[in-house]
Amino acid sequence: EPEVTQTPSHQVTQMGQEVILRCVPISNHLYFYWYRQILGQKVEFLVSFYNNEISEKSEIFDDQFSVERPDGSNFTLKIRSTKLEDSAMYFCASSASGGSSYEQYFGPGTRLTVT
Amino acid sequence: GDSVTQMEGPVTLSEEAFLTINCTYTATGYPSLFWYVQYPGEGLQLLLKATKADDKGSNKGFEATYRKETTSFHLEKGSVQVSDSAVYFCALRVDNFNKFYFGSGTKLNVKP
Repeated sequence: EPEVTQTPSHQVTQMGQEVILRCVPISNHLYFYWYRQILGQKVEFLVSFYNNEISEKSEIFDDQFSVERPDGSNFTLKIRSTKLEDSAMYFCASSASGGSSYEQYFGPGTRLTVT
Repeated sequence: GDSVTQMEGPVTLSEEAFLTINCTYTATGYPSLFWYVQYPGEGLQLLLKATKADDKGSNKGFEATYRKETTSFHLEKGSVQVSDSAVYFCALRVDNFNKFYFGSGTKLNVKP
């Protein structure tokens, strides 16, 4: 069964450093998403991406964040200058199309620890 | 705004016990409601969903009914197994939007 994969599973970085989280969505999917979960809190939407551009973003997704689909398979989330409060589990998801009838498939997550 | 509140965990049950995990929501539009499950080391997997009021979603012995009058979508299972140990997330999605609003997750531990 096709699945969304994410690398690395755990990333430790120092405050102020740039970090790139990588995701490989399901191959025929067209919509891509990032969510995050700070420990003990809710899973929060960050951004959705379609047709090589951001289709929606939350207020969390400020100028420190960017997303990219650099080739036909990867979808990346870059945090330019990490802060302690960026420590969280980051989930990537993909769906075949937009709209509420299409299931979003989630990856296992990358745990980011900023020290 | 749109949001989901679910009961805090962890919930610890013995095998074959009855499970209820409470979930309530607030939505400005007409939401679809979901339960996702995350097994250790894996991604969030769709467990069940309901797209309109009074619909019942069911899968693998789990059920949840979309109750508009109480704005709830409680997850139930009549007899849990050790293999059901996981984190369960309640979520909503409002029509015409792609993003999910998730609860904070409830960890279920089932003991033999």
